[in-house]
Amino acid sequence: SAVISQKPSRDICQRGTSLTIQCQVDSQVTMMFWYRQQPGQSLTLIATANQGSEATYESGFVIDKFPISRPNLTFSTLTVSNMSPEDSSIYLCSVAGTGRAETQYFGPGTRLLVL
Amino acid sequence: AQSVTQPDIHITVSEGASLELRCNYSYGATPYLFWYVQSPGQGLQLLLKYFSGDTLVQGIKGFEAEFKRSQSSFNLRKPSVHWSDAAEYFCAVGSNYQLIWGAGTKLIIKP
Repeated sequence: SAVISQKPSRDICQRGTSLTIQCQVDSQVTMMFWYRQQPGQSLTLIATANQGSEATYESGFVIDKFPISRPNLTFSTLTVSNMSPEDSSIYLCSVAGTGRAETQYFGPGTRLLVL
Repeated sequence: AQSVTQPDIHITVSEGASLELRCNYSYGATPYLFWYVQSPGQGLQLLLKYFSGDTLVQGIKGFEAEFKRSQSSFNLRKPSVHWSDAAEYFCAVGSNYQLIWGAGTKLIIKP
């Protein structure tokens, strides 16, 4: 399985500011995903990021709020824009290969607290 | 509608006791099935997965799960839990990268 790192591991931010989260993989992967895990909740998919194409956002998530970049096959960023306390969550990236029977592997997550 | 149900929000077991965490799903076809574990302050780690074949699958850390098509279930088991198993466990089902997640079950271990 791929080794995935995320930066920062945690942050405390002021409302109205933006934070960019980085996800780095130690091997080339086609599919990368960004999830949000609100306190005490399960995972919610924000978007799917494939290299060379625009990210595909799930219902309830928009590009203006959560812009994503995917410049190559080992790296992606998620920006949480104009933050409010409701954005306080764990943000997780995951990766998967191209086969239909694929497994998602997760990074350690970024713990965000917005004051 | 597609859904995953983990009926137990919390489960408390004594160290050394056996464990079963339940997962039921509603899905249009036979999905791929996964169990992940999230230790406090950590990301998600894959415990095991079922794609096809033998319906009893073995995973890491001594866990196993059994796929029962007739019951639409994929319950996770461990014969003897250790204090280090205290974590949150998530069941997920899906295909083609669209995973549907259960709400999670928090496992508490009594000494």
